[in-house]
Amino acid sequence: AQSVTQPDIHITVSEGASLELRCNYSYGATPYLFWYVQSPGQGLQLLLKYFSGDTLVQGIKGFEAEFKRSQSSFNLRKPSVHWSDAAEYFCAVGAGGGATNKLIFGTGTLLAVQP
Amino acid sequence: EAGVTQSPTHLIKTRGQQATLRCSPISGHTSVYWYQQALGLGLQFLLWYDEGEERNRGNFPPRFSGRQFPNYSSELNVNALELEDSALYLCASSFPWESNQPQHFGDGTRLSIL
Repeated sequence: AQSVTQPDIHITVSEGASLELRCNYSYGATPYLFWYVQSPGQGLQLLLKYFSGDTLVQGIKGFEAEFKRSQSSFNLRKPSVHWSDAAEYFCAVGAGGGATNKLIFGTGTLLAVQP
Repeated sequence: EAGVTQSPTHLIKTRGQQATLRCSPISGHTSVYWYQQALGLGLQFLLWYDEGEERNRGNFPPRFSGRQFPNYSSELNVNALELEDSALYLCASSFPWESNQPQHFGDGTRLSIL
């Protein structure tokens, strides 16, 4: 069965420090992978997606993610965190072999940023 | 360009009542998805509509139902409300399923059951 694991429930980093949020997936074929961010009281905003091709993908707000098939991982990174990055981050895999159909989400990682 | 819009923002109901949530997709999007984000349960897929047809359904009882209108907007209906239905209900939309484009989300409707 398809699944997504985000091992870190809560992470705290200092402003200006680098960030890496972990995501592991279970999927039988080439996955369609996504990172979304949710600020308090709001919906989900798409940060970036991986469909195929280059395994390092760039997204909005200075985020990037690297697809590693051998490790079944799709970790999100940012070189220098800003206070406005404090939010909850969700990794997702597109079930049914595509971006449409249902998304299966991880449980999320709540990011806190210290001044 | 307007994003996905959902109404109402908040909805308060009592057990046994019925709730109707509405969603307008981004212009040009024909697929609409519904997700439930309940405390402790995470984000769970509810329903997917494309061109007025239900394409997929998550593991929810039949009292969760919906429809998609000719203008591609959508309604989610929840009958015989139970306390555990309290959650944030998120709608997403995308271009036609053949395009294989990402889903974009609205800000949700917070449903509270008293």
